[in-house]
Amino acid sequence: DMKVTQMPRYLIKRMGENVLLECGQDMSHETMYWYRQDPGLGLQLIYISYDVDSNSEGDIPKGYRVSRKKREHFSLILDSAKTNQTSVYFCASSLRGPSQNTLYFGAGTRLSVL
Amino acid sequence: GQQVQQSPASLVLQEGENAELQCNFSSTATQLQWFYQSPGGSLVSLLSNPSGTKHTGRLTSTTVTKERRSSLHISSSQTTDSGTYLCAIDRGVVGQLTFGRGTRLQVYA
Repeated sequence: DMKVTQMPRYLIKRMGENVLLECGQDMSHETMYWYRQDPGLGLQLIYISYDVDSNSEGDIPKGYRVSRKKREHFSLILDSAKTNQTSVYFCASSLRGPSQNTLYFGAGTRLSVL
Repeated sequence: GQQVQQSPASLVLQEGENAELQCNFSSTATQLQWFYQSPGGSLVSLLSNPSGTKHTGRLTSTTVTKERRSSLHISSSQTTDSGTYLCAIDRGVVGQLTFGRGTRLQVYA
């Protein structure tokens, strides 16, 4: 079953707390992504990972970092979360880059930073 | 940077009517994809169409690369088609897509 799983689905944190968003895929995809979606802004790419320990910044990496130690798992970390990081975060994966292959998205994590 | 503009922003149809969604982009795209986002939030890839016309089920996409535009036609709309349709362009940098803000479609019975 081709699936991208995000945990948790909903999260409430206080400003200054650390946040860990987790993403897993069962398709052995090389490439994984983290996006955030805000009302009226569409999806914005935070980080992209081309394989284990091969990560690149996207359009809005400031305030975020990522970790990919296994091909099937990609984490997004917010050190000392800020209120403007309240958003819906989507993880996605593709066999390689999106030019060659379909993107599969997770269901999203709705993060509120108070 | 690459800009992707979608129109209309929202569309309300009665079941059975056809929908026409537009996507315009500011520079040459090597890849163009259409996605559907359900009201619950999850995104699903509908089709990839960098040029020409592609069909899948009740969906038809036509991309005119030289004119930097793409359309998505939904025939005989159903209430289950309700949601947001997103257009995304590959900028030529491996893995990086630029998304439009989407067209929100509501189909009522």
